[in-house]
Amino acid sequence: DAGVIQSPRHEVTEMGQEVTLRCKPISGHNSLFWYRQTMMRGLELLIYFNNNVPIDDSGMPEDRFSAKMPNASFSTLKIQPSEPRDSAVYFCASSLGGEGVEKLFFGSGTQLSVL
Amino acid sequence: AQSVTQPDIHITVSEGASLELRCNYSYGATPYLFWYVQSPGQGLQLLLKYFSGDTLVQGIKGFEAEFKRSQSSFNLRKPSVHWSDAAEYFCAVVPRDDKIIFGKGTRLHILP
Repeated sequence: DAGVIQSPRHEVTEMGQEVTLRCKPISGHNSLFWYRQTMMRGLELLIYFNNNVPIDDSGMPEDRFSAKMPNASFSTLKIQPSEPRDSAVYFCASSLGGEGVEKLFFGSGTQLSVL
Repeated sequence: AQSVTQPDIHITVSEGASLELRCNYSYGATPYLFWYVQSPGQGLQLLLKYFSGDTLVQGIKGFEAEFKRSQSSFNLRKPSVHWSDAAEYFCAVVPRDDKIIFGKGTRLHILP
């Protein structure tokens, strides 16, 4: 299995531009999570989906952030317009949902720099 | 290569017993260190973190962790576990100016 695949690995953009981050979860996993990593706050959950449906988006910082999961094998996180304070590493993770605890599998992250 | 090792995939303890979850890292300098918990149906929650200073770190839910430079370890402890502590626990390190690296996780089971 290729694991969770994120693209791009690095993104450098100018303030005000739209940024789209992409994620392909592990095949068969039905839960997908978007996290943002900053040094001071560590890992923050932005949103998670179960069976392609957003379950909890309380971590999405502002209306500038939106996430979609049009099918079980693809999700996007969009920032429009981007701001310098959005610079961080964004991780996607997936798990096999069900009763009990589901082990998370993380992608390698997207390093976003907004200038 | 930088890595994080959680040697125990599963741990089972009785309610009320003490707990220690092991974490070792491989990195040239001291990275930033974190413990996260993933409870059923939820994302990750930060338990505690170590950047510098006092090597014994207090976290939420009664957890603590001790950084031992000589052993490259950052073990998580709790003196008395509760049934609600059953979850998956992830150790993570952030090498300076680099991305977070997660261990593979330890699943904690609690016996009544």
